[in-house]
Amino acid sequence: EVKLQQSGDELVRPGASVKISCKASGYTFTSYSMHWVKQRPGQGLEWIGAIIPIIDTTEYNQKFKGKATLTADKSSNTANMELSRLTSEDSAVYYCARGTLGGSFAYWGQGTLVTVSS
Amino acid sequence: DVVMTQTPVSMSVSLGGQVSISCRSSQSLVHNNGNTYLSWYIQKPSQSPQLLIYKVSNRFSGISDRFSGSGSGTDFTLKISRVEPDDLGVYYCGQGTQYPYTFGAGTKLELK
Repeated sequence: EVKLQQSGDELVRPGASVKISCKASGYTFTSYSMHWVKQRPGQGLEWIGAIIPIIDTTEYNQKFKGKATLTADKSSNTANMELSRLTSEDSAVYYCARGTLGGSFAYWGQGTLVTVSS
Repeated sequence: DVVMTQTPVSMSVSLGGQVSISCRSSQSLVHNNGNTYLSWYIQKPSQSPQLLIYKVSNRFSGISDRFSGSGSGTDFTLKISRVEPDDLGVYYCGQGTQYPYTFGAGTKLELK
């Protein structure tokens, strides 16, 4: 069974950084890209970017360049996303989602709520 | 970026009824390889999105045949027949043809 287990909710101060993890199981981690999606409260879905673990290649939505940094740890089958210089605009639920052929996301993590507040 | 426009924003349906949701893209979603990477998702309250349909018309594993996708180029439709209570939520279309991947704003399906 494919499972993506994300790290817990975070409360962070403005200007700080936060790292969210997504541990994959039930499939070969290096065989699929891992994507990250942002969802602000009551809003739609926004694609942040993706990493291809086998070659450590990343693709970012231009909007999130400089904000998000994607990495993958093949030894622990974990994808990570670091968000920097946080503001209230970064308060959202962040999902990891496994990519498939065809740009669809068949498997999603449970989501990590990041709240930016002083 | 490819803009995905969904209509309607919300709709009410009676149980057992049928609904259609439209999704239009600002550019053709036909990839250089000939495939069209248009997907549909449902997000139920307080849950992660779930894949329903991929590549326009292919139902994901375990998805009921009450859900069907159609369309081509820039114009796509999701149809849900014999609506059940578990079908209620927000439906999103999404494109995976071109970076950055983009989603529609969502269509909320509610009970009449």
